[in-house]
Amino acid sequence: NAGVTQTPKFRVLKTGQSMTLLCAQDMNHEYMYWYRQDPGMGLRLIHYSVGEGTTAKGEVPDGYNVSRLKKQNFLLGLESAAPSQTSVYFCASRLGDILNTEAFFGQGTRLTVV
Amino acid sequence: DAKTTQPPSMDCAEGRAANLPCNHSTISGNEYVYWYRQIHSQGPQYIIHGLKNNETNEMASLIITEDRKSSTLILPHATLRDTAVYYCIVRVALYNTDKLIFGTGTRLQVFP
Repeated sequence: NAGVTQTPKFRVLKTGQSMTLLCAQDMNHEYMYWYRQDPGMGLRLIHYSVGEGTTAKGEVPDGYNVSRLKKQNFLLGLESAAPSQTSVYFCASRLGDILNTEAFFGQGTRLTVV
Repeated sequence: DAKTTQPPSMDCAEGRAANLPCNHSTISGNEYVYWYRQIHSQGPQYIIHGLKNNETNEMASLIITEDRKSSTLILPHATLRDTAVYYCIVRVALYNTDKLIFGTGTRLQVFP
């Protein structure tokens, strides 16, 4: 049972390049989330999904796109990377039932845009 | 979701109880209080959550005031490994709506 796995763990991009971050969970969770965390700051929600085929905007969605084609995967895309997107990105998943279960987080992807 | 206010930092001696406060004066009746922590640069870790009643698990206790406008996370015997940023979150438990918004948290430093 791997939990929440993020790929890659580190990446350096040049301004204007594109890339996709992959989040995979093996817990059959309905809800998945993408956050970014800048140095010394808390986590800010980018996008989230409450089920396969659905996505919604969070606090800071601009410059990012997401897809949830399969229940176990949540992809975060940067079409044209900017230095302001240098950050640590965290993915999380949650069972999604009304009983308020906990969210499980991945170990993060450290992205640098130069 | 209701906004939370936490002190930016706190210190605690090893072996003593750490009491971390959180204000959530605009909380509504169907919003739960959650606590997570983030050790160094790892992904956040769930600690505990509650609605009205006080809660306790193997990690911590959660005390929610009767008016639900504030709460306190208690680590009964803090260790050096409890040094982390602690986040207090309130959120609505509605099907298909779940933003799980984090604030800036409290940085707890446990010293020997």
